[in-house]
Amino acid sequence: EIVLTQSPGTLSLSPGERATLSCRASQSVSSSYYLAWYQQKPGQAPRLLIYGASTRATGIPDRFSGSGSGTDFTLTISRLEPEDFAVYYCQHYGDSPLTFGGGTKVEIK
Amino acid sequence: QVQLVESGGGVVQPGRSLRLSCVASGFSFKNYGMHWVRQAPGKGLEWVAVTWHDGSNKYYADSVKGRFTISRDNSKNTLYLQMNSLRAEDTAVYYCARGYSSGSTGEFDIWGQGTMVTVSS
Repeated sequence: EIVLTQSPGTLSLSPGERATLSCRASQSVSSSYYLAWYQQKPGQAPRLLIYGASTRATGIPDRFSGSGSGTDFTLTISRLEPEDFAVYYCQHYGDSPLTFGGGTKVEIK
Repeated sequence: QVQLVESGGGVVQPGRSLRLSCVASGFSFKNYGMHWVRQAPGKGLEWVAVTWHDGSNKYYADSVKGRFTISRDNSKNTLYLQMNSLRAEDTAVYYCARGYSSGSTGEFDIWGQGTMVTVSS
């Protein structure tokens, strides 16, 4: 089972700032194609942001970008908008069991 | 409109059973692998189970293996999760999600709104 560790647990930033979120895998993701990022706001279902480590999902603004390979992956939000304050999860979806990271909360400073 | 709608949640005593349903619309349900994901109150996301597009393969998280059964009826565009021998730690919001592939892989591009399951005496 691939364990995903996200850091930091909480990120306190102001609107307009850059956010950098990390996701580290316990072993190499067999194909970086199988790494995704999701955003979740309170009381809502998660929303797909990035798949294949770096491809934005339909309708996702270009301020969101994903990068990385092997065991280290990053989600970057170039300039935080008020609606971006939420919890973000990375996910490995290549082999069963599929796994999620513990999440990073991006909160308003 | 592409959507997934879950139902069947509620309050159930430990050791009892519950069946969740997820009705799909707006896409060709039979072509996609389908998943259940849960989220305990105040906690992160936990993948629960997957069924391939035709139901030929099913995989489970160790935490539910032997107690939960995932199934689907492609003629009704419906996904199910039969939960037996429920425990307090199964208390969570349960989401169904579409995997963007016919099998187990594929990012989760469509999610339902979730249904709450509370296991309590």
